[in-house]
Amino acid sequence: QKEVEQDPGPLSVPEGAIVSLNCTYSNSAFQYFMWYRQYSRKGPELLMYTYSSGNKEDGRFTAQVDKSSKYISLFIRDSQPSDSATYLCAMKGGGSNYKLTFGKGTLLTVNP
Amino acid sequence: EAGVAQSPRYKIIEKRQSVAFWCNPISGHATLYWYQQILGQGPKLLIQFQNNGVVDDSQLPKDRFSAERLKGVDSTLKIQPAKLEDSAVYLCASSLDTMLLYEQYFGPGTRLTVT
Repeated sequence: QKEVEQDPGPLSVPEGAIVSLNCTYSNSAFQYFMWYRQYSRKGPELLMYTYSSGNKEDGRFTAQVDKSSKYISLFIRDSQPSDSATYLCAMKGGGSNYKLTFGKGTLLTVNP
Repeated sequence: EAGVAQSPRYKIIEKRQSVAFWCNPISGHATLYWYQQILGQGPKLLIQFQNNGVVDDSQLPKDRFSAERLKGVDSTLKIQPAKLEDSAVYLCASSLDTMLLYEQYFGPGTRLTVT
């Protein structure tokens, strides 16, 4: 079983739709959970950052972490064509373990 | 603030040839990372530097890959000899420090094609 599982999609939605992106993980040592956005031929950029379980909202984006289920989600409200990108979940543990473990990424297309 | 710079952006080589990538991190960032991103996959950490010392190189194929960060600033990643399976985007990232809460900033990557 891979440490981080993410459905690669592709996911295609109409403009204005609510998008739900998800990852599951197996390593219970993960404490920090991130979502990166990667446009074509660009490097990933950090979108959301959450510590432990709970919700975090930033504009149209909401990140949720459920450590009991080892499941994280990213919701995008009122999706825009500019949101079209690959979304990567990433996680890391505590203590001296600084390594980021990424999911495969989900390719999202928002159609105008 | 200038971002992470990488060059070249694209490189095509034949198998068994050698290649080198260059990275210039954000000014003042102590930690530098090299990732390999194969098409359809998430980035995989190859090596992590703290200043000019190696923190983690456990996933670096040391028989063919090498990396250095002289003077704790710029870094080069070399592959010699290249194999077909090395075709990937090589991403460089930097962060203020290795501490957990510091964001990693990624460069645009170097897309390597090995034929």
